[in-house]
This record gives sequence, C-alpha cells and structure tokens, in this order.
Amino acid sequence: DAGITQSPRHKVTETGTPVTLRCHQTENHRYMYWYRQDPGHGLRLIHYSYGVKDTDKGEVSDGYSVSRSKTEDFLLTLESATSSQTSVYFCAISTGTNEQYFGPGTRLTVT
Amino acid sequence: RKEVEQDPGPFNVPEGATVAFNCTYSNSASQSFFWYRQDCRKEPKLLMSVYSSGNEDGRFTAQLNRASQYISLLIRDSKLSDSATYLCVVNTNAGKSTFGDGTTLTVKP
Repeated sequence: DAGITQSPRHKVTETGTPVTLRCHQTENHRYMYWYRQDPGHGLRLIHYSYGVKDTDKGEVSDGYSVSRSKTEDFLLTLESATSSQTSVYFCAISTGTNEQYFGPGTRLTVT
Repeated sequence: RKEVEQDPGPFNVPEGATVAFNCTYSNSASQSFFWYRQDCRKEPKLLMSVYSSGNEDGRFTAQLNRASQYISLLIRDSKLSDSATYLCVVNTNAGKSTFGDGTTLTVKP
C-alpha cells in the first residue's frame, strides 16, 4: 500500500462547471501524476509534478490544470468541464526506481 | 504508430495453461520496463519490473529484448485469479511512463 488516496471517488457534474480532483500521498514521494483512462485509449498522462510547484504537461493536458503547493497533495482542475472529460482519473506516485503506484481512481461523469 | 503496442487479446485459456504476452516499444532510448495488472474497474498494480537479464517471480517470467525492442510476460500454470488486463509500461526518461493499452486474459475452469 503506497498510501495514495483520491477524492472524490465519484462525481457527476454539468458541462461548464469547474471541478477539482485531489490526490493525497503519505510517503513524501517527489513525483506525482494524473492519468485518465478511457476505453480504446488506455492510460494517458495529463500532467505530472516533480516537486512542490514544479509541474509539466503530459500528452492530453488541454482543458486541465494542476497545482502542487505541498509535497503530499496534487490537485487536478477542470476549469470548465466538457462531456469529453468524462473518464476515470488515476493519480500515481513514482519511486526512485520509476515504479508507479496508483490511487483508487475517480469516476467523473460530465452531463 | 503508438509508442507502446500490445496485442489486446482477449486471450482465453484453460486453468493450468501457459500463456505469453508481448509488448513492443518504438523508442530505443527507453530505460526501464514494467508489467502491471489491472482488474476490472480497479487501479493498475505493479506486477513486476523487467530486467535485461530476464527475471522470474513465481509463475511469472518477464524478459526484455533491447535489440528487437520488445518485452514479454510468461504466465505458467494459469489460475482463475490471473484473469485481468496486463499493461506493459515503458519509461523513456526520468519521471514519465508510456502505457500500452493492455492485453486481456481470461482463465477458464
């Protein structure tokens, strides 16, 4: 157990509303990631962080922003949710040997 | 062409069978390699890292062929509980991973 939690676990929201997903870790890992997983696309990297206030874009970053003000928390924000952002969102941490451990996921539905 | 490609399957095998999955990657600078297991509607979980010399963990054997740019996973004596999706993961530089879309395995009684 890598001590990763995500909140909320499920959310239904309307198109155009802002949404923030939270990832929390208890083991002080430097690297944290946000992925989305959709049928036919597998896991795709949205954004990642390599330290407090240090973030970078992944392959599907459009429409998403992130913040990391503390080592233990990595927030993913959808500024104005769209139906194409309906997905399962996974947070992950990376150890020094590049092994990744995932949180339980957040199921987001945008109606 | 995707950076990491897997045969999606599904692979349907009887209990006790041996099954092998392959994964190819396109970036020759890739440095580290992993297999993950994902059960339906759950998060991916690390199954094993893949080392250049090959490595074994119980019924599971992973191998890396850098020249041909593929990794493999062999499962011997399949159990019903091995039914899952198996994800191949490749790291090309520090901090970033590319996931294959996964291979689905169903082990039947």
